[in-house]
Order: sequence, then structure tokens, then C-alpha cells
Amino acid sequence: NAGVTQTPKFRILKIGQSMTLQCAQDMNHNYMYWYRQDPGMGLKLIYYSVGAGITDKGEVPNGYNVSRSTTEDFPLRLELAAPSQTSVYFCASSYSPGLAGDTDTQYFGPGTRLTVL
Amino acid sequence: KQEVTQIPAALSVPEGENLVLNCSFTDSAIYNLQWFRQDPGKGLTSLLLIQSSQREQTSGRLNASLDKSSGRSTLYIAASQPGDSATYLCAAVNTGTASKLTFGTGTRLQVTL
Repeated sequence: NAGVTQTPKFRILKIGQSMTLQCAQDMNHNYMYWYRQDPGMGLKLIYYSVGAGITDKGEVPNGYNVSRSTTEDFPLRLELAAPSQTSVYFCASSYSPGLAGDTDTQYFGPGTRLTVL
Repeated sequence: KQEVTQIPAALSVPEGENLVLNCSFTDSAIYNLQWFRQDPGKGLTSLLLIQSSQREQTSGRLNASLDKSSGRSTLYIAASQPGDSATYLCAAVNTGTASKLTFGTGTRLQVTL
């Protein structure tokens, strides 16, 4: 299994441009998440999805949009990029919570480093 | 709102030393607590997950404990090695929150020769 994959690895955007960060997982996980990590900080949740067609906001959703048309893919859309969106973006996935053992463990992708100038 | 704090922010120890990393959380209604490792420029790797009903979990030289009443978790690393150098993050999942993680800011560990 490839696990959680993210593309691109790096990207530089100009203010006002838009882009889509791609995330895919091949573990048949129904829960998927997008986090951002600013320098020296922990990760903050942007959006999450509990299954195909179902998404919800996290702690810092402003300026972002998501969709979940399949179990495998969970793209994150940035509209009108701003310097405040310069960050490293991580996608993660897990099984449904409530199962015994470590099935609640979240598996992370390698991240996308985004700079907005 | 859950808040997670990790102290110290950075730690340097000589190889072979046993060490403890601390994590505190404000809301004791947690579903589980997870410890991750992050290498520079990389993603997060899960180390240990402790369910709310458990007191500790062990994996090799790592042992994580959980005390919900005091709002604390610790990660114990035995016989540290230079390869343990990384940032260690703890994250709490609150009950009924769809497994959303609330992260601490991490402890950057350096193990010196």
C-alpha cells in the first residue's frame, strides 16, 4: 500500500491565485482530514470528512474548500491565495472511531509546502 | 475547547539517557491520546495511541502513560539514541468529535553523541 499520498510537494503561488492540493489514500479509510502546520506550531484542522459526500469544517476553514466524491480522494481547494496561507499542509486518514485497538490511529501524508508571495 | 500543551519546547540529552516528554490537556473528556514523531521536512509517524480506558502503552523503548484526572500524558524514551532526534507531538481526541486531533506544539528532541 502507498498509504496517504499528497501532490504537489512544493508550490509557490502569487496572491490571488488559486490551486488544489491533492490527497489520496489506498487503505479504504472512511475518515480523512486536512491540517496546516505553521512554523514552530502544532497542526490545526482545516476540514474533515467522515465518508464520501460528507465534509465538515475544522478549526481554521476560512479561505479553503473541500470535496469528497470518492472514498480514496480528498482534495483541498485554495481560492484567492493570501500570504497568511503560507504553511505546510498535511492530509491524514483513519478508520471510523469506536473500534477497538489502534484503528483510530491517523496516518499522515508527507505534506505540501505552500508559499504565497 | 481542548487545549494541549507540551513542555519543554526543546530538549537536548546525551546518548543513552532515559528521558520523559510531557503533554498536558485541559479537557479530560478525551477519547484517546496519540503520540507522533516528525522528522524535519517530513510528515508525522504515529508512535503510540492510548485509549481513554487505558493507563499506558508500550512499543519497544517507548512507553506512554495517560492520567485523565490530572490532564497529563508522558512519553518515556529509554536508552536514547541519536536516531531518536526529532520533534515529538502529542494530540488528543475528544469524545464525540469524529476523531479530530487537537495537537500540542511539540517537543524538539536532540540526542547527542
